Amino acid sequence: GAGVSQSPRYKVAKRGQDVALRCDPISGHVSLFWYQQALGQGPEFLTYFQNEAQLDKSGLPSDRFFAERPEGSVSTLKIQRTQQEDSAVYLCASSLFGMIGLAGGYSEQFFGPGTRLTVL
Amino acid sequence: DQQVKQNSPSLSVQEGRISILNCDYTNSMFDYFLWYKKYPAEGPTFLISISSIKDKNEDGRFTVFLNKSAKHLSLHIVPSQPGDSAVYFCAAASPSGYSTLTFGKGTMLLVSP
Repeated sequence: GAGVSQSPRYKVAKRGQDVALRCDPISGHVSLFWYQQALGQGPEFLTYFQNEAQLDKSGLPSDRFFAERPEGSVSTLKIQRTQQEDSAVYLCASSLFGMIGLAGGYSEQFFGPGTRLTVL
Repeated sequence: DQQVKQNSPSLSVQEGRISILNCDYTNSMFDYFLWYKKYPAEGPTFLISISSIKDKNEDGRFTVFLNKSAKHLSLHIVPSQPGDSAVYFCAAASPSGYSTLTFGKGTMLLVSP
């Protein structure tokens, strides 16, 4: 596809249910990011993949959150035993390059439309 | 503790006038700054960026200014158009190697005809 796609676009879960959110990045993009955007807030970093390797999961709020990218393309964010505070928009972004290196620079991130999760 | 702050939740401007959106940051390690635009039910889209070695970057109607000593950046849109109405996020990247972004809370811009 031309851009980053995410599914489902909307998900309603009862408290305690497990959910799985999918991200299809732009083909060939090395890097994949997950962000969480609560109502009225900016996106906050959750986790980062370079190909299939999860290099940073420092933003995951609890051990109920788990992400994978087994073949280095599609990624799934799984939330176990959902709580009301998990209600947010979950954004996926991909970028062409991986590690930038000591010279610095920036590899532009392209965002998907997000999945709006509502936990009742 | 917010490292990127956008203190104005909203801004209203008339069509044709200048829109100025402001952003402050606290982390001196940030070396690249970006503005993203977001429409409802869509993901953020990249608008313009600036490296910390510059103080100004211009792209058409959009100009970003960076004042490193004040840890402040601003986005100028001139002339403003109704289609510019959206939420604008300021974001910063640090030289961590893979450019994780730290976002502000956003400013909703409304441009009226």
